[in-house]
Amino acid sequence: NAGVMQNPRHLVRRRGQEARLRCSPMKGHSHVYWYRQLPEEGLKFMVYLQKENIIDESGMPKERFSAEFPKEGPSILRIQQVVRGDSAAYFCASSPLVGGFTEAFFGQGTRLTVV
Amino acid sequence: DQQVKQNSPSLSVQEGRISILNCDYTNSMFDYFLWYKKYPAEGPTFLISISSIKDKNEDGRFTVFLNKSAKHLSLHIVPSQPGDSAVYFCAASQGAQKLVFGQGTRLTINP
Repeated sequence: NAGVMQNPRHLVRRRGQEARLRCSPMKGHSHVYWYRQLPEEGLKFMVYLQKENIIDESGMPKERFSAEFPKEGPSILRIQQVVRGDSAAYFCASSPLVGGFTEAFFGQGTRLTVV
Repeated sequence: DQQVKQNSPSLSVQEGRISILNCDYTNSMFDYFLWYKKYPAEGPTFLISISSIKDKNEDGRFTVFLNKSAKHLSLHIVPSQPGDSAVYFCAASQGAQKLVFGQGTRLTINP
């Protein structure tokens, strides 16, 4: 009964490189959310996806960031040409519900450090 | 535009006493509220939730109170235990969509 799996747990990238963060939702969950936590701050919503669809990307920066949740495989958050300000913890959550909401289950996060 | 606010960055409580964590929100369209607990280097763990049609929900040592007229909710933990030491986030949602989180309150339970 695996929970939400994120990998890698830690990722170090040089400025200008690309970062790819992966999230496998809990079994049976078809809704995935990505959040970012900057140091000493709360979690900020980035994007909400269902299989093959982006439902809400209002929290995603317009440039360099993209997300996908393909029919097969994990959800991917991609950050191109990373900058120091991208250093943060990125959390993925999944939920099974359509049209209703109880709670979202979070993964352990990927800590991105840009050097 | 901080729609969910936790004005106390930290709280220290003696073991066995009651811990009260507070949260205020500005968006009257929020219809579901949740509390998450977070340990360092881990993801948030769901604790307890409440629908906007209720004013109280209880689960063991944890009780959440919602005051819609004041746009305020609180989490009561009684009795507090050392394992409760963590960062607590309140969150709100509107229409089963994204969660909006507060900044968190670091709770320390002293023996």
